Amino acid sequence: NAGVTQTPKFQVLKTGQSMTLQCAQDMNHNSMYWYRQDPGMGLRLIYYSASEGTTDKGEVPNGYNVSRLNKREFSLRLESAAPSQTSVYFCASSEAGAGRLNTEAFFGQGTRLTVV
Amino acid sequence: RKEVEQDPGPFNVPEGATVAFNCTYSNSASQSFFWYRQDCRKEPKLLMSVYSSGNEDGRFTAQLNRASQYISLLIRDSKLSDSATYLCVVNPFFSSGSARQLTFGSGTQLTVLP
Repeated sequence: NAGVTQTPKFQVLKTGQSMTLQCAQDMNHNSMYWYRQDPGMGLRLIYYSASEGTTDKGEVPNGYNVSRLNKREFSLRLESAAPSQTSVYFCASSEAGAGRLNTEAFFGQGTRLTVV
Repeated sequence: RKEVEQDPGPFNVPEGATVAFNCTYSNSASQSFFWYRQDCRKEPKLLMSVYSSGNEDGRFTAQLNRASQYISLLIRDSKLSDSATYLCVVNPFFSSGSARQLTFGSGTQLTVLP
């Protein structure tokens, strides 16, 4: 079972470059999430999508855009990378939906991004 | 105030010890509670859900205190393999509208020493 697949696993960008982090899940989950994790800060939500076609800002959305391409895929785009975006990025999915208790979230293996 | 607060540790305990972590949350509407485990440079994985009545899974016991808005995780007979970061996670429940995101604490680091 693939679960949640993220690509790439590692990336180095120069300041000002753009890139898209890809995420796909094969569990037919409604909700998908993008988090970033920095030392001592825990996981902070960037954007989430409660269902296909909807996206909402999380705690730290500035500098990012997302696309829920279909139920399986949720991509995160950095339009103009900055050193402050150096972090580990995790995509996650869960069955959570309107009127339902959130259930277990499954995470991808993470993308280690360095912006120089 | 952070929505979910944890003591970051580190907790360094000898093998066989009992160790407890606490976590407080600020949103009284929170309905779902979890403990996740994260190994170094890996993704978080669900350790256990936390139910109102408290629940146990082998050496792990989780408890919820709604009145004081905290949850706890107790690990008995610690093993070397328990060394990891333990993340407290809460999620508010709304009867209508879109799903809400999981809110993570910053994690408590545990090292079990031989």
